[in-house]
Amino acid sequence: NAGVMQNPRHLVRRRGQEARLRCSPMKGHSHVYWYRQLPEEGLKFMVYLQKENIIDESGMPKERFSAEFPKEGPSILRIQQVVRGDSAAYFCASSPETVYEQYFGPGTRLTVT
Amino acid sequence: AQSVTQPDIHITVSEGASLELRCNYSYGATPYLFWYVQSPGQGLQLLLKYFSGDTLVQGIKGFEAEFKRSQSSFNLRKPSVHWSDAAEYFCAVGAREKLTFGTGTRLTIIP
Repeated sequence: NAGVMQNPRHLVRRRGQEARLRCSPMKGHSHVYWYRQLPEEGLKFMVYLQKENIIDESGMPKERFSAEFPKEGPSILRIQQVVRGDSAAYFCASSPETVYEQYFGPGTRLTVT
Repeated sequence: AQSVTQPDIHITVSEGASLELRCNYSYGATPYLFWYVQSPGQGLQLLLKYFSGDTLVQGIKGFEAEFKRSQSSFNLRKPSVHWSDAAEYFCAVGAREKLTFGTGTRLTIIP
């Protein structure tokens, strides 16, 4: 059973460009979570999604950030007009319907130049 | 609001020595508690979890943790560390919707 997949693993964007981060949950998992890890800090919750629904986006910045988890395909975290402060590691996690634990992917390390 | 405190930013222990990493939490209800380990440049791996029941929980790689409600603590222990245990350790509290993480404890192992 493959784990949570994230791609790309590393992403370099110039200021003002768009970044798209993809997350494929573990097979059978219907819940997806995105977290951001700034250098030397712990992970901060961003958003929780189920298929076609955003359940909790209380940790998402109000502007430029959006997330989706379509009926088919991976979950996408989209950052528009990136700025240097967006440089971080972005982790996706997934969980099945009835288990209260999250399994993490390897992360996408975004660098904004 | 829930919060997690890991008071030790960096700990160094000798290989074969015992280890205890501290974690204190603040949570409005019965907490779900987790310990994760992160190797450099990698994702997080779940070491162990506490939901209810026996307050001493066993995890992978020989780790265990004890939930103490009176102290709002969930400390991680290992009787004898191995060089491969060098990593960053994160304590987390929460439920399905989101986890709140501590800032982590970096563990260094010396020969």
